[in-house]
Amino acid sequence: NAGVTQTPKFQVLKTGQSMTLQCAQDMNHNSMYWYRQDPGMGLRLIYYSASEGTTDKGEVPNGYNVSRLNKREFSLRLESAAPSQTSVYFCASSLDRRDEKLFFGSGTQLSVL
Amino acid sequence: AQTVTQSQPEMSVQEAETVTLSCTYDTSESDYYLFWYKQPPSRQMILVIRQEAYKQQNATENRFSVNFQKAAKSFSLKISDSQLGDAAMYFCASTGGGADGLTFGKGTHLIIQP
Repeated sequence: NAGVTQTPKFQVLKTGQSMTLQCAQDMNHNSMYWYRQDPGMGLRLIYYSASEGTTDKGEVPNGYNVSRLNKREFSLRLESAAPSQTSVYFCASSLDRRDEKLFFGSGTQLSVL
Repeated sequence: AQTVTQSQPEMSVQEAETVTLSCTYDTSESDYYLFWYKQPPSRQMILVIRQEAYKQQNATENRFSVNFQKAAKSFSLKISDSQLGDAAMYFCASTGGGADGLTFGKGTHLIIQP
């Protein structure tokens, strides 16, 4: 009963390094999302994928790229990490774009030094 | 842009008492959904309750209930018989912001006093 699985759980990067956050869901959901959570800011949408083969920008997409590899997997890439990208990142999925009940992964704590 | 406002950064309640967390939202959509999520120290986001805007009846889930005032765009969460395990950050969220996904408020930190 895995649900939404994110890796890694923790990561420390140096400014300018790149990395990819991985996300997979086993609920046969069509829609997937990446959020970031900063203290006092709630969760903000970075990118989403309404269905396999499509991706769209959310509220805070700058500095990120995404790939919907298949129906199960949705990755988030930081090409050149900056200290402002220090945050907790959550992947989420929902059955489809009309059912916005989101199921979340356990989050990735990313620190950029 | 869609906004969700939680005006109480922190709330404190005695164990076994009732507490209400406030939330207001701003959407131009006629069809939307509202949510309350709980985030304990484990960081996991847990769905507490969901309300469909076209339903007038307030949603309830055991000790959790909402007061949905559509005209006022208000969506408060009432927790009855508070338990120590209810201590967490609570986030109000809404659909209807144009993009897919949810728009979240900044959260309310709920403290349960034993």
